[in-house]
Amino acid sequence: NAGVTQTPKFRVLKTGQSMTLLCAQDMNHEYMYWYRQDPGMGLRLIHYSVGEGTTAKGEVPDGYNVSRLKKQNFLLGLESAAPSQTSVYFCASRTPTRRGEKLFFGSGTQLSVL
Amino acid sequence: DQQVKQNSPSLSVQEGRISILNCDYTNSMFDYFLWYKKYPAEGPTFLISISSIKDKNEDGRFTVFLNKSAKHLSLHIVPSQPGDSAVYFCAASDKGGSEKLVFGKGTKLTVNP
Repeated sequence: NAGVTQTPKFRVLKTGQSMTLLCAQDMNHEYMYWYRQDPGMGLRLIHYSVGEGTTAKGEVPDGYNVSRLKKQNFLLGLESAAPSQTSVYFCASRTPTRRGEKLFFGSGTQLSVL
Repeated sequence: DQQVKQNSPSLSVQEGRISILNCDYTNSMFDYFLWYKKYPAEGPTFLISISSIKDKNEDGRFTVFLNKSAKHLSLHIVPSQPGDSAVYFCAASDKGGSEKLVFGKGTKLTVNP
């Protein structure tokens, strides 16, 4: 059972380039999330989805777009990368079956924008 | 405006002693609190949680205490082991927006042998 899988694990971009981060989960979870982690800033929510075909903005959505075309996949896109988007990105998922249900995280994508 | 605050960026303790990690929150609508542990180059993993209707939850060496009147929770690790060295994040879930978790900035725990 793979859980939450993120690809790629590392990526270096030049300013202005675009890329897509892929998150896949095999736990049949309804909810999926994209977080970024920066030194001294903790985990900040970028976008999330409560079901296939739905997305919503989180705390820091600017410069990112997302899509949830299939229940098991959640894509995070950067249309024009900026150095401020250098960060570690984590995808997470969970079931909404009860209150306070825990998130399962992927192992992260280290992105550097030069 | 930070709703979940972990005011200690780091904590160092000796092996075998107690580690106490603290977390404060401002939102009265939070009704579930979770602690996550993160090792370098890995994703966070769930450690323990507590509902706002309880004041204590215990799981092995880990105990979380909740003081609702003070809007404060703490994670106790007894006894601390070198393998507990990691970053610990406090997180909270809002009654009105239960699909989202709000995280604190984390506390780096170092357990010295």
